[in-house]
Amino acid sequence: DTGVSQDPRHKITKRGQNVTFRCDPISEHNRLYWYRQTLGQGPEFLTYFQNEAQLEKSRLLSDRFSAERPKGSFSTLEIQRTEQGDSAMYLCATYGRGRLETQYFGPGTRLLVL
Amino acid sequence: RKEVEQDPGPFNVPEGATVAFNCTYSNSASQSFFWYRQDCRKEPKLLMSVYSSGNEDGRFTAQLNRASQYISLLIRDSKLSDSATYLCVVSPFRSGTYKYIFGTGTRLKVLA
Repeated sequence: DTGVSQDPRHKITKRGQNVTFRCDPISEHNRLYWYRQTLGQGPEFLTYFQNEAQLEKSRLLSDRFSAERPKGSFSTLEIQRTEQGDSAMYLCATYGRGRLETQYFGPGTRLLVL
Repeated sequence: RKEVEQDPGPFNVPEGATVAFNCTYSNSASQSFFWYRQDCRKEPKLLMSVYSSGNEDGRFTAQLNRASQYISLLIRDSKLSDSATYLCVVSPFRSGTYKYIFGTGTRLKVLA
């Protein structure tokens, strides 16, 4: 257990619905990342925050995706008007000086859009 | 060309074998390099960082070749429990960005 938690762990939704995922980072980690991973692929970068500031967004992140980190602690990722192609594992990672200075991942939220 | 490329495998090896994975990266300005391990349907977990001088952790050895822009991971005396996907990770750390770029991963299956 890395200390990064995500909620929910699984989400099944119908196409067109909105979904929101939450990530709670390790408290002293000020950088927080969101990734999307599909079967047979590595995690794809979506966006990252330094404290509450969203510093970079991938071109993969369409207008239907939005992420926030209002107080520089937990973060939310919202997908509006979900499509079947959004089905994936959504991973949150935080950066800090643990055993090594690198990213530590949460368990992920697995999304299935029907 | 992908920023980080790996052979997806699978590499099927017998227990006790030595296996090596390579990973190439396209951005010569990349600063930090890592190997992560990912078990089926689990999150990636850090295996080891890769330093210019090379580094070793038990049965695992990682090396970096900046001139040829590749990193490698060597696993000696492989165990059944080493079966997983190994992800190569590169961080460009260009001015103003702290992105991490993952390869697609290399699947390893260690056979009894």
